[in-house]
Amino acid sequence: GAGVSQTPSNKVTEKGKYVELRCDPISGHTALYWYRQSLGQGPEFLIYFQGTGAADDSGLPNDRFFAVRPEGSVSTLKIQRTERGDSAVYLCASSPGRHFQETQYFGPGTRLLVL
Amino acid sequence: AQSVTQLDSQVPVFEEAPVELRCNYSSSVSVYLFWYVQYPNQGLQLLLKYLSGSTLVESINGFEAEFNKSQTSFHLRKPSVHISDTAEYFCAVRPRGSTLGRLYFGRGTQLTVWP
Repeated sequence: GAGVSQTPSNKVTEKGKYVELRCDPISGHTALYWYRQSLGQGPEFLIYFQGTGAADDSGLPNDRFFAVRPEGSVSTLKIQRTERGDSAVYLCASSPGRHFQETQYFGPGTRLLVL
Repeated sequence: AQSVTQLDSQVPVFEEAPVELRCNYSSSVSVYLFWYVQYPNQGLQLLLKYLSGSTLVESINGFEAEFNKSQTSFHLRKPSVHISDTAEYFCAVRPRGSTLGRLYFGRGTQLTVWP
């Protein structure tokens, strides 16, 4: 079946602009995660949804970052007043949401470049 | 708090040679352990995981990893590598018993296999 998809695959924006990154999880997966991977680093956790609610948003770096999942499926990561330091690959992952040993399935990522 | 250290950022080897990618972790609680692989221009894929039971776990493509609790390590090994194993490998942990599903990743090891 279809895996996790993310759009756009690449996004170039100017400092100070607003961007939205979209994640389509695997159908039926109730758990959804956002991670950020900076150059030369491993993925860093941003936020975790169980259904429509954010169960853990402790990884969001500041209040410019916000994420929603209004219907418990597609999620959008929103970044306001982008800064050059926001440049990174933003990864989305989903899992069935039944137990915590389960595998997280990752999308291909959105590469964000802030000029 | 959890942290993951991958001691080698780059590991070059010749085809058919053995390889070991090192991973150590620090955690105040017991953890689940994972290795993910990222092939060029692809998303992260689960390679293998340790949840419980036998401390030696294997993947379908010949990799294995051994959980060593006393040394807090989960090194990844393969006795004979192929050029197609060229990829970035990430070690990750997740705390047991947590109601939150976030993964903590190391910074990755780039494995390059030369002919």
